[in-house]
Amino acid sequence: GEDVEQSLFLSVREGDSSVINCTYTDSSSTYLYWYKQEPGAGLQLLTYIFSNMDMKQDQRLTVLLNKKDKHLSLRIADTQTGDSAIYFCAGSSGGSYIPTFGRGTSLIVHP
Amino acid sequence: SQTIHQWPATLVQPVGSPLSLECTVEGTSNPNLYWYRQAAGRGLQLLFYSVGIGQISSEVPQNLSASRPQDRQFILSSKKLLLSDSGFYLCAWSSLMGNQPQHFGDGTRLSIL
Repeated sequence: GEDVEQSLFLSVREGDSSVINCTYTDSSSTYLYWYKQEPGAGLQLLTYIFSNMDMKQDQRLTVLLNKKDKHLSLRIADTQTGDSAIYFCAGSSGGSYIPTFGRGTSLIVHP
Repeated sequence: SQTIHQWPATLVQPVGSPLSLECTVEGTSNPNLYWYRQAAGRGLQLLFYSVGIGQISSEVPQNLSASRPQDRQFILSSKKLLLSDSGFYLCAWSSLMGNQPQHFGDGTRLSIL
């Protein structure tokens, strides 16, 4: 089955850009998702990208997909303290309705 | 628009007591429904999923069970809680069609004493 890997921590200075990386193993992954989880809360869907796309931009968020390397990244421009959270990458393939989640990257934004 | 409600938000229970967590979805029909547990290590563990009323698939053998008595209602239960059942429980829904994103509730923090 699918395996999704993420680094566990990322620390950035307020105002800088953050780049959170994710790798996946299933080349047939058709949908890839980014979720944000604030402390004590559920997961909030931030954005998702189809496998036939290379990039998707939504305000301060940019998702890049490199299908050859099976690498997905989430860039947050002008990172704010409110962006501090855990970010989960997830992917699903074929007709599956159950995505595979990474373990999450804890983003720490300091002044 | 679709919304998902999960309750209670927090729960403290003694070992050996029963459990019932409830999740309801509004604004959609025939959703796929899911129960996850998130331990301190942050990873999400899929416990149960359901594609229709009365249809429950279990991913992990344990002393928990799930039921779907109505189309948009999903219940997580236990007859006798263990210390290891402590954690953060998340309910989620997705469209019946495959490859649609999941949408999560706010979670229930369960502490077993």
